[in-house]
Amino acid sequence: DQQVKQNSPSLSVQEGRISILNCDYTNSMFDYFLWYKKYPAEGPTFLISISSIKDKNEDGRFTVFLNKSAKHLSLHIVPSQPGDSAVYFCAASALRSNDYKLSFGAGTTVTVRA
Amino acid sequence: ETGVTQTPRHLVMGMTNKKSLKCEQHLGHNAMYWYKQSAKKPLELMFVYNFKEQTENNSVPSRFSPECPNSSHLFLHLHTLQPEDSALYLCASSQGSMNTGELFFGEGSRLTVL
Repeated sequence: DQQVKQNSPSLSVQEGRISILNCDYTNSMFDYFLWYKKYPAEGPTFLISISSIKDKNEDGRFTVFLNKSAKHLSLHIVPSQPGDSAVYFCAASALRSNDYKLSFGAGTTVTVRA
Repeated sequence: ETGVTQTPRHLVMGMTNKKSLKCEQHLGHNAMYWYKQSAKKPLELMFVYNFKEQTENNSVPSRFSPECPNSSHLFLHLHTLQPEDSALYLCASSQGSMNTGELFFGEGSRLTVL
């Protein structure tokens, strides 16, 4: 059963605009969330994370928002740049339960149009 | 050298062949992982090794056989595979399997089973 879901398989956005990627989870024990970015022919690379004690974490152009009551998180990229075109994976783990394994979503392919 | 190196990058094999995938990490990490990525599906955890000891086998069929001779090297031995095993196999490492979940991935080995 898929515990992390990214319901939008793809997203197209114009350069300079905001990209918003969404992720939903079902396991209420998840308390640590990560976003990974993957270019073709490369492995995923860590982008940004957030602990459940926070509702927002910002790193440059990337901000992750967490809504625990809705079991939903989102990644905002602003402004979007052509180099942001990639597949973005949402992942989660349950650290307080000592379950450190990451559960991944299926990914969202972002295309930034010039 | 890159942090996590996988060879070969591409592999085509018949159902009766025996082949191996190799992963090497140069990050001084203690934990190594095999993930499977099929098209449009989440990354699936296959095996976890922590300090050379297997700590996780996620119900993987026995036609996949992992080997971890030391903390820097991880192999995935393949035999009598099925066409549905065709996928991208990703190796990852982390500083211990009991951490905040940030994984460092290799570029993957694209496997095609004929």
